[in-house]
Amino acid sequence: SQQGEEDPQALSIQEGENATMNCSYKTSINNLQWYRQNSGRGLVHLILIRSNEREKHSGRLRVTLDTSKKSSSLLITASRAADTASYFCATDPSGGSYIPTFGRGTSLIVHP
Amino acid sequence: GAGVSQSPSNKVTEKGKDVELRCDPISGHTALYWYRQSLGQGLEFLIYFQGNSAPDKSGLPSDRFSAERTGGSVSTLTIQRTQQEDSAVYLCASSGWTSAEQYFGPGTRLTVT
Repeated sequence: SQQGEEDPQALSIQEGENATMNCSYKTSINNLQWYRQNSGRGLVHLILIRSNEREKHSGRLRVTLDTSKKSSSLLITASRAADTASYFCATDPSGGSYIPTFGRGTSLIVHP
Repeated sequence: GAGVSQSPSNKVTEKGKDVELRCDPISGHTALYWYRQSLGQGLEFLIYFQGNSAPDKSGLPSDRFSAERTGGSVSTLTIQRTQQEDSAVYLCASSGWTSAEQYFGPGTRLTVT
């Protein structure tokens, strides 16, 4: 089964609204990353949060991490039509494995 | 500098034929990953290279799949006797050190007819 699972699977909002996506995982991690994918092509790294961090900001992005609940959230504020994409979380497991596990993603549509 | 490049961008092949997919990672990146993504799905890990260490092949779905990385740089993923279920986008990523962000190529869309 997937280590990282995003929720919701799909999200449709109006431009200017905030978009929140969640990610849950099962095992201990070193860090968690969020990626964006346009049109089924290459992924673009957005932000990395380490296991000892609780919150991180980058521009209009805010990521939180709750290791006790094994969950993370990605908040995109003041969304734009150009934010329309799929968003994936990837967990980097602790314990020596260097193979991150990706979830199935959240498909975000921002209507102009 | 240049990002990760993959070739070809699209490949249509007949069932039973062999295909080779190429990945040029970012210069100096020691880690290289291959993933497969079927339509509307997440990324399925295939194989991982790190420096000169033996690759982690645990994600390869069958013995028809193989990959090599020459000189610690360019990698080739080979699929022998392709099947229709091999149709997917094959993504390559590299990173500068383990447990760090990955830089993805644009992918190769493989269609097996």
